[in-house]
Amino acid sequence: GAVVSQHPSWVICKSGTSVKIECRSLDFQATTMFWYRQFPKQSLMLMATSNEGSKATYEQGVEKDKFLINHASLTLSTLTVTSAHPEDSSFYICSARDGSGGKTQYFGPGTRLLVL
Amino acid sequence: GENVEQHPSTLSVQEGDSAVIKCTYSDSASNYFPWYKQELGKRPQLIIDIRSNVGEKKDQRIAVTLNKTAKHFSLHITETQPEDSAVYFCAALPGAGKSTFGDGTTLTVKP
Repeated sequence: GAVVSQHPSWVICKSGTSVKIECRSLDFQATTMFWYRQFPKQSLMLMATSNEGSKATYEQGVEKDKFLINHASLTLSTLTVTSAHPEDSSFYICSARDGSGGKTQYFGPGTRLLVL
Repeated sequence: GENVEQHPSTLSVQEGDSAVIKCTYSDSASNYFPWYKQELGKRPQLIIDIRSNVGEKKDQRIAVTLNKTAKHFSLHITETQPEDSAVYFCAALPGAGKSTFGDGTTLTVKP
């Protein structure tokens, strides 16, 4: 099946620094990628929808200047958490949808972010 | 927008018993309904999905049923095993838009 990778798998950073998370579709072209945040024992909270070559669409309440998303190619989307604070600590998961028209979302393994 | 409600939030069954998780959705335009299994600290993995032109789909011990009129769909797991223990999420997708996920069901299968 389709494979989505995410890097790094976990990161610890100091408050005020920025962290970049990469999401790659390894064996298919993803015209659409999604970024989720997940708190312990809770559901997936969609942060933004990323379309290749265009600006991301952010969900209500998600600060676009804080969570910068770049979908520069059909296989790569990045999420940058700028000026991170402890409350940004969370599990961030990306998913990708096959650009050939499929509806199935394939999830990355997630990135656990801890901001000290 | 779409609203998905999932019940129950927790479910505990004995090994060998069946487990049923139900989701309701609000947007009649939704036409794709996947189910994901997420083990602790891992990624959600698609286990089965159903499209709106089908009423039931089965894959070994897992089945999904869809009632478009009532706008609900259910996941059925038969002959449950301890390794089925995980959090299960349903989702509804209207057309080419974004998926809306349910809040998840924590399934525990007791040996």
